[in-house]
Amino acid sequence: EIVLTQSPGTLSLSPGERATLSCRASQSVSSSDLAWYQQKPGQAPRLLIYGASSRATGIPDRFSGSGSGTDFTLTISRLEPEDFAVYYCQQYGSSWTFGQGTKMEIK
Amino acid sequence: QVQLVQSGAEVKKPGASVKVSCKASGYTFTGYHLHWVRQAPGQGLEWMGRINPNSGGTEYAQKFQGRVTMTRDTSISTAYMELTRLTSDDIVVFYCARESWDDRSFDSWGQGTLVTVSS
Repeated sequence: EIVLTQSPGTLSLSPGERATLSCRASQSVSSSDLAWYQQKPGQAPRLLIYGASSRATGIPDRFSGSGSGTDFTLTISRLEPEDFAVYYCQQYGSSWTFGQGTKMEIK
Repeated sequence: QVQLVQSGAEVKKPGASVKVSCKASGYTFTGYHLHWVRQAPGQGLEWMGRINPNSGGTEYAQKFQGRVTMTRDTSISTAYMELTRLTSDDIVVFYCARESWDDRSFDSWGQGTLVTVSS
């Protein structure tokens, strides 16, 4: 099973700042089969990024994904108040597994 | 628009089973795999398995093998997930999620179903 480790566990930033979230896999993820999801309290997760770098439908361009192999990054260029949430990475190259999440909180 | 609507919250006793439904609309039900994901309160997401609504074929995470059964009723565009031998560790929210047609990420999610296990 591919284990995904996200860092940091919590990220404290202010609106307008840039956020960089990391996701590291225990082994190489094939074909960049990696996604990022956003989850707000009491809500289901929402797909942000798939294929490591493609934005899902309706996702603002301040969200971007990059990386390959074992190291992946989600970047939010300028944080909006609605971006404070928990973010999960997911690999789907070998079955499906999720990272443990990064909580983005307002500083 | 694509919608996945899940059944309501349940309270079960330890050792019991629960069956959660996920009704799909806004797309061809048999054209997309459906997955089930578990989330304990304040915890992360855990993949449980998936079903091919067209063939009925299933694939389960090893952790849940022997305890989970996923089925579907194509006549009403509904998928089901049954989990047996519930314990207090099963106080969770279950989500169904649709697998994207052009890659294997999850592009639509149900609203979640809370299952509480209490004696």
